Amino acid sequence: ELKVEQNPLFLSMQEGKNYTIYCNYSTTSDRLYWYRQDPGKSLESLFVLLSNGAVKQEGRLMASLDTKARLSTLHITAAVHDLSATYFCAVGKKETSGSRLTFGEGTQLTVNP
Amino acid sequence: KAGVTQTPRYLIKTRGQQVTLSCSPISGHRSVSWYQQTPGQGLQFLFEYFSETQRNKGNFPGRFSGRQFSNSRSEMNVSTLELGDSALYLCASSIRTSGRTTNGGTGELFFGEGSRLTVL
Repeated sequence: ELKVEQNPLFLSMQEGKNYTIYCNYSTTSDRLYWYRQDPGKSLESLFVLLSNGAVKQEGRLMASLDTKARLSTLHITAAVHDLSATYFCAVGKKETSGSRLTFGEGTQLTVNP
Repeated sequence: KAGVTQTPRYLIKTRGQQVTLSCSPISGHRSVSWYQQTPGQGLQFLFEYFSETQRNKGNFPGRFSGRQFSNSRSEMNVSTLELGDSALYLCASSIRTSGRTTNGGTGELFFGEGSRLTVL
């Protein structure tokens, strides 16, 4: 059974600081996704990582994937208040799972002024 | 391009009742999947439909069912509601061309706003 673990689960940081969220998964996978969820809202797709060594960047967020270590990271650079949200990583397997994704528990990020 | 549309957005039911939730995927997307989100269990996969056929099913009891219509719209039904069914039910659509794979697609899911179900 595929398990996905994120850490930390809660992250409070100051504006302007950098931090990294980690996502570990238990079995071989060939696709990893990062989503953002604001309170009471749906999931917004941030990044799609499909190969070992993939790196994607959008604004202050950068995601990477190491399939050998079964690890993805979401790095936040110079955080701003607008980044406060819950971030989920999700893992799927192209050949067997279709649209079935296994989600991590989520990291609740609070950026303080 | 319109996103994934879910109705109703909010509903309140009592134990023992049943509920039907509706999802219209993004135009051109043929795969619809459903997820349940609760504070205790997080996001859990319910099932996926493609070409009017259930392709994948999560670990939920038979009270949870779904279907997909020829226009790719999907409904899910929960019968004999229990308190623990209170959750945000999220529908997601994705491009899928055939079978169980995305045939070179990214498999990216696009989520609707969700239907928040409260069972009293």
